[in-house]
Amino acid sequence: DAKTTQPNSMESNEEEPVHLPCNHSTISGTDYIHWYRQLPSQGPEYVIHGLTSNVNNRMASLAIAEDRKSSTLILHRATLRDAAVYYCIRRNSGGSNYKLTFGKGTLLTVNP
Amino acid sequence: DTEVTQTPKHLVMGMTNKKSLKCEQHMGHRAMYWYKQKAKKPPELMFVYSYEKLSINESVPSRFSPECPNSSLLNLHLHALQPEDSALYLCASSQPSSGRANEQFFGPGTRLTVL
Repeated sequence: DAKTTQPNSMESNEEEPVHLPCNHSTISGTDYIHWYRQLPSQGPEYVIHGLTSNVNNRMASLAIAEDRKSSTLILHRATLRDAAVYYCIRRNSGGSNYKLTFGKGTLLTVNP
Repeated sequence: DTEVTQTPKHLVMGMTNKKSLKCEQHMGHRAMYWYKQKAKKPPELMFVYSYEKLSINESVPSRFSPECPNSSLLNLHLHALQPEDSALYLCASSQPSSGRANEQFFGPGTRLTVL
C-alpha cells in the first residue's frame, strides 16, 4: 500500500502562506505525488501533482525534495475558502495506476 | 462541463430495501470510480471501471453491485445493507491512465443512512 505521513492538523492566518508537509520516504521512482483537498461537505478536488520537479499551478505550488522522500504543498496566500482536509497521495504510474489511496490527510484551519 | 453529478444527495433505507445510486459525467472520461467515506475518515476505493468494464473490485461485499451501462453513467446497486454501511458514497471519473497522472474529478457524494 502506498503510504504517506502528514500532520493531523495545521493552522494558518488569512492572507499568509501555508506550507503543508508530506513524508513519503519509501517512494519509488515511478510514483507520482498527488495532492487533493476536501472542503467541508464536498467531494475531494485535485490540487496539483508532480514527479521530480517543482510544479506550479493557479491553486498552489508543489516543492519536491531532491531525494523525493518528502514534498511540501504551498498555498501562497491562504483564504478562508482554503480551509479543508489536504491529502498527499503516492500514485504509481504503472500497472493498476487508477488507484488513489488516501491517507488521513491534514486538516487545515484558516483564521480570519 | 467539468462536473460529476450524483443522485440522490441523501438516501435513507432499511436493511431489506433495494436502492441504487447514480453517477453521471459528460467529460468524455473512460474511467469511473466508486469510493466510500465514513465520517472523519479518508475516502476508500471500492470499484474502478475502465472503458465500461470492471477493472478493480477492492474486495467489496456482494451487497454492493456496480454497473456501468455506458461511458457516461455509473450505478451502484444496494441490497440488504447493514447499518455499518452508512457513509458518504463518492463517484469520480478520469481519463484512464496510460503512464500519465490523470486527475480524478469527484462528485459531491450521496449521504447514505441504513436503518
